[in-house]
This record gives sequence, C-alpha cells and structure tokens, in this order.
Amino acid sequence: EVQLLVSGGDLVQPGGSLRLSCAASGFTFSSYAMSWVRQAPGKGLEWVSVITGAGGSTSYTDSVKGRFTISRDNSKNTLFLQMNSLRADDTAVYYCVRYVGGKGLDYWGQGTLVTVSS
Amino acid sequence: AIQMTQSPSSLSASVGDRVTITCRASQGIRNDLGWYQQKPGKAPKLLIYAASSLQSGVPSRFSGSGSGADFTLTISSLQPEDFATYYCLQDYNYPRTFGQGTKVEIK
Repeated sequence: EVQLLVSGGDLVQPGGSLRLSCAASGFTFSSYAMSWVRQAPGKGLEWVSVITGAGGSTSYTDSVKGRFTISRDNSKNTLFLQMNSLRADDTAVYYCVRYVGGKGLDYWGQGTLVTVSS
Repeated sequence: AIQMTQSPSSLSASVGDRVTITCRASQGIRNDLGWYQQKPGKAPKLLIYAASSLQSGVPSRFSGSGSGADFTLTISSLQPEDFATYYCLQDYNYPRTFGQGTKVEIK
C-alpha cells in the first residue's frame, strides 16, 4: 500500500524558514517523480513543485521560485521541501504527492499545515 | 503559465442528476488533463487522467472528455458520496496549474 507521511508543518514568523518532509513507503520511491501541492485555508489547490525520480531535475511555480527548494533522499525514501523567506500568503496545507507521467498526481499524503504569522 | 478556467464555480444538484463540469485551458494542452475530487478536510483524489481515462477504483459514473483546450467531467447519476469539490489540472507543461474548483452541493 502506498503511503506518504508528511511532517514539519508549524507556525513560523514572516521571513522565517521551515523544512517539510514526506516519508514514502509501499512503492519504489526512486522510480517516481514527486510533487508538492498546497491549499490555502478555504481556497483552491495550487501546484508548487516537482522533482524527478533521480532528483536531477526540478520545477517550481513562479511564486516560490528562489525561496523554496525541493529535494529528495532516495536512500531514505524521503521527499523534502525547504521553504525560506516565508510570507503570509504561503500559509497553507502542504500535500506530498506522487506523480506519474501521463497519469498525474495519483497518490496524496495527508497534508501538513504551515502557518506564517507574527 | 497556462490558465485553467472551470465552470461553474459551484452548482446545486440532486441525487440521480447528471452533472457536467467544464474546464478550459488558455492554450491547447492535447489531452494532458486530469480531474480530482476533494472532500472537506481530505486530500484530493485522482478521478480521470489523460482527459478520459478512469483511474483504477473510480466508479464508472464518472467520465471525462475533450482535447485541445476544452474538457468536460460528467457524473452520470450523482450519488450522495459525490458531493465534493472538483478540480482540473493541466499535465501539459510546467508549472502545472489547477482550475479554481467546482463545488457540487446538495439541492
């Protein structure tokens, strides 16, 4: 059974940093690209970032470029999202999601809440 | 970035109704589109991929169609468990972009 366990969400001040982790199990982690998707309170879904299975290629939505970094440790089956220079509009539930080319986002973790506020 | 526009933003329907949600891309995206269902407090779930392919385990009352820039999600006979918010997502290029969502409510 595919499982994606997200952790690291917290309350952080504007300008601060936070690192999210996503522990994957139930599939060959290194064979799949992985994404982060977020959802601000009461709002719609926003795609944030993706990383290829080997970790050699990444992409970001414009609003987080230069501030967020997606990475992975395939030896530990773990995906990360390093978030720097956090702003109030980064407040959201962050989902870790498995991506399959030609199929989309097929497995979603439970989400973790990041709150940026003073 | 490609803009995805869903309509309507919300709708009210009764159990047994046929429901149609549309999604329009700001440029052609072949058939690189998925549909997702989200219930309150839960993570989204993939329903349809490649515009018309049903994800494993999804009931056959859900169907998708379209290509190019215009797409449709149809629920042939709405069931109580289908009341949720539905999102389209373009899988054509980066950054990926979602539609704004369509909330399906009980009439």
